[in-house]
Amino acid sequence: EPEVTQTPSHQVTQMGQEVILRCVPISNHLYFYWYRQILGQKVEFLVSFYNNEISEKSEIFDDQFSVERPDGSNFTLKIRSTKLEDSAMYFCASKGRNSNQPQHFGDGTRLSIL
Amino acid sequence: QKEVEQNSGPLSVPEGAIASLNCTYSDRGSQSFFWYRQYSGKSPELIMFIYSNGDKEDGRFTAQLNKASQYVSLLIRDSQPSDSATYLCAVKMNRDDKIIFGKGTRLHILP
Repeated sequence: EPEVTQTPSHQVTQMGQEVILRCVPISNHLYFYWYRQILGQKVEFLVSFYNNEISEKSEIFDDQFSVERPDGSNFTLKIRSTKLEDSAMYFCASKGRNSNQPQHFGDGTRLSIL
Repeated sequence: QKEVEQNSGPLSVPEGAIASLNCTYSDRGSQSFFWYRQYSGKSPELIMFIYSNGDKEDGRFTAQLNKASQYVSLLIRDSQPSDSATYLCAVKMNRDDKIIFGKGTRLHILP
């Protein structure tokens, strides 16, 4: 069964450094998302991306965050200057052509900011 | 503020019994409802989705939706120890693209 893949599985970064999290969505999917989950808390929406542009973003997704789909397969999340509170699991998700279809999640990247 | 509420548990159910997980949501405009299972340290895994009032069955799982009461539930029949996990209720409004998650209910199946 097709799946969303994310790399790396674990990223350790010094505070203030830039980090890029990578995702390969399911190949025929058109909608792409990033969510995060701080340890012990609920999954929170960050941003959605459709037709090569951001379609929706949350209050968490401030100027330090950006997303890009540099080619036909990858979808990246960049955090420009990381803070301690950015430590979390980051999940990429994708969805097919119908906007009501469910989102499928990747295994996540554990981001640890030191 | 759009909210999805779940009892955090833990909910302990004997093996072979029916586990019943409940969820309420605040926004009447919500159109799509999802149940995800999350094992500790892992990603959410889609179990069921439902759009219309009533029941939807898939194997041992049944999702139930009551839009008038803003209530969605998940029943797991013949519970197995491997069903022990956190179950996340997630809701999508028709106008939005994102899904809003509840905090999840921890389910523990007792062997």
